[in-house]
Amino acid sequence: EDKVVQSPLSLVVHEGDTVTLNCSYEVTNFRSLLWYKQEKKAPTFLFMLTSSGIEKKSGRLSSILDKKELFSILNITATQTGDSAIYLCAVGSNYQLIWGAGTKLIIKP
Amino acid sequence: GAGVSQSPSNKVTEKGKDVELRCDPISGHTALYWYRQSLGQGLEFLIYFQGNSAPDKSGLPSDRFSAERTGGSVSTLTIQRTQQEDSAVYLCASSLGGAGGDTQYFGPGTRLTVL
Repeated sequence: EDKVVQSPLSLVVHEGDTVTLNCSYEVTNFRSLLWYKQEKKAPTFLFMLTSSGIEKKSGRLSSILDKKELFSILNITATQTGDSAIYLCAVGSNYQLIWGAGTKLIIKP
Repeated sequence: GAGVSQSPSNKVTEKGKDVELRCDPISGHTALYWYRQSLGQGLEFLIYFQGNSAPDKSGLPSDRFSAERTGGSVSTLTIQRTQQEDSAVYLCASSLGGAGGDTQYFGPGTRLTVL
């Protein structure tokens, strides 16, 4: 059965810290891995990764994929209170995205 | 349109009533997905539409749930005889194609509360 596992489930850090969120997967017919940020209702797209070893960056956020070990990490440096959210990982397989349960990140001022 | 839109944004109903939730995808997107998210839980896949193909209904939790997509665009999710456990945020997403791994763009969701 396809599955996506995120860790940790929740994380509390202080502003300015660096955090690393993990996503591991077991999915047949892997097509891509996506990261989303969910603050209130709707998840918003962050990154799509399809190739191993190529880092995607957007400001203080970066992500990388390892297709051999079947995982991805999402790094956030110099965290701010606005980074507080649930971070969702999803893996594309056939026509679906298989979703992880998310990591709830809380940034304390 | 500029993004996926959903209506209503909030719906409060009494147990046993029927509700209809609407999703208007991004123009030109052929794939449309419905998800449900209960409080503190992850996304639960409900149903998937791709173009004119028969929808994948494998995620619908019971026969009280149904959805249709008219003209390959707007979709309506109907829940009949609502139960308290149906309370959740219902999210709609669309993607350009139906290939797994295409970026899905989400609407703002409908928060359904069944009293």
